[in-house]
Amino acid sequence: NAGVTQTPKFQVLKTGQSMTLQCAQDMNHEYMSWYRQDPGMGLRLIHYSVGAGITDQGEVPNGYNVSRSTTEDFPLRLLSAAPSQTSVYFCASSPRGRGSYEQYFGPGTRLTVT
Amino acid sequence: AQSVTQLDSQVPVFEEAPVELRCNYSSSVSVYLFWYVQYPNQGLQLLLKYLSGSTLVESINGFEAEFNKSQTSFHLRKPSVHISDTAEYFCAVTPTTNAGKSTFGDGTTLTVKP
Repeated sequence: NAGVTQTPKFQVLKTGQSMTLQCAQDMNHEYMSWYRQDPGMGLRLIHYSVGAGITDQGEVPNGYNVSRSTTEDFPLRLLSAAPSQTSVYFCASSPRGRGSYEQYFGPGTRLTVT
Repeated sequence: AQSVTQLDSQVPVFEEAPVELRCNYSSSVSVYLFWYVQYPNQGLQLLLKYLSGSTLVESINGFEAEFNKSQTSFHLRKPSVHISDTAEYFCAVTPTTNAGKSTFGDGTTLTVKP
């Protein structure tokens, strides 16, 4: 299993540009989540999904969109990039039940907005 | 809603010394408790978790954490640290009904000195 994969690893955008961060998992996990990590602030939840076709907002959703058309994929779209969105973005997945509940993280995407 | 407070942002210790990383939480719903570790330029990995049962849980590399319901704490300990334990450690809570919606603390940077 590849686990959770994220592309790209690094990205530089100019203010106002849009882009999509890709996330895929091959573990058939129902839950998927996007977090951003900023220095000294831990991980903050952007959006999450409890299954294909179902998404919901987390703590910091503004400026981001998500969709979940398949179990495997959960892309994060930045609509109009701003310098405040400079961060490291992590995608995570988790199975429903099965005694697990922990999150499996991807390697992250480091985004810089100039 | 839930929140997690990690009481120490940085913990420097000498090799072979004991260490404790402190975590308090609050939640209006039932939660599971986790510690994750992040090595430089990597994603987060599960260190240990408390779901139910014995309040003392252990990891394979010598860490342990104790769930204290009355004090709403989940402190992480290791009796003797190694240089390789240098990393950032995150305490997290996850609602028992929604594994996609974890809340993380701000992290504790553990630096082990020779």
